[in-house]
Amino acid sequence: AQSVTQLGSHVSVSEGALVLLRCNYSSSVPPYLFWYVQYPNQGLQLLLKYTSAATLVKGINGFEAEFKKSETSFHLTKPSAHMSDAAEYFCAVSLGNTGFQKLVFGTGTRLLVSP
Amino acid sequence: ETGVTQSPTHLIKTRGQQVTLRCSSQSGHNTVSWYQQALGQGPQFIFQYYREEENGRGNFPPRFSGLQFPNYSSELNVNALELDDSALYLCASSARRGTYEQYFGPGTRLTVT
Repeated sequence: AQSVTQLGSHVSVSEGALVLLRCNYSSSVPPYLFWYVQYPNQGLQLLLKYTSAATLVKGINGFEAEFKKSETSFHLTKPSAHMSDAAEYFCAVSLGNTGFQKLVFGTGTRLLVSP
Repeated sequence: ETGVTQSPTHLIKTRGQQVTLRCSSQSGHNTVSWYQQALGQGPQFIFQYYREEENGRGNFPPRFSGLQFPNYSSELNVNALELDDSALYLCASSARRGTYEQYFGPGTRLTVT
């Protein structure tokens, strides 16, 4: 079954440092991949999505992700962390067909940003 | 454009009771999906409704049921509540079935005691 694996339940960075959150997918066909962010006590906000167009995807808040088929990865990066980036991040893959799509999420990575 | 809204924000129920959660889809969206997010976990797909009919279901027991209304709003009903049902319940709407883009509401936090 198609799924995503997020490596590291917690990632700590200093403000201004590079953010790297890892996601690997298992899929026999080119997947639709997503990164969502969840702030405390809130729902999910879409950061960016890969839909088989450009392999380097730019999202909101300065985040980007690169789809690497050879590595089955879709890691999320941001050059310089900001305190407001502290949140839970979820990688997800969309599964289904032309009449039905559902999202399958990873277990999440909590990003901690220190001053 | 109005986003996805959910009510109530928080809810406390006792084991064995029944609960109804509500969701209004984003304007123009006809498909609604429900997800359960237990503490420290990623969201898990419960089911999806399209034009008032169930369009897909995850691995949840029958005591989890839903409805979709002609205005595309939706309800999630859970009977015979168990302690493990305590979670954040997220509703997501899509412009049409078969599209991968889903827009999430803020969720309803259910606590079962």
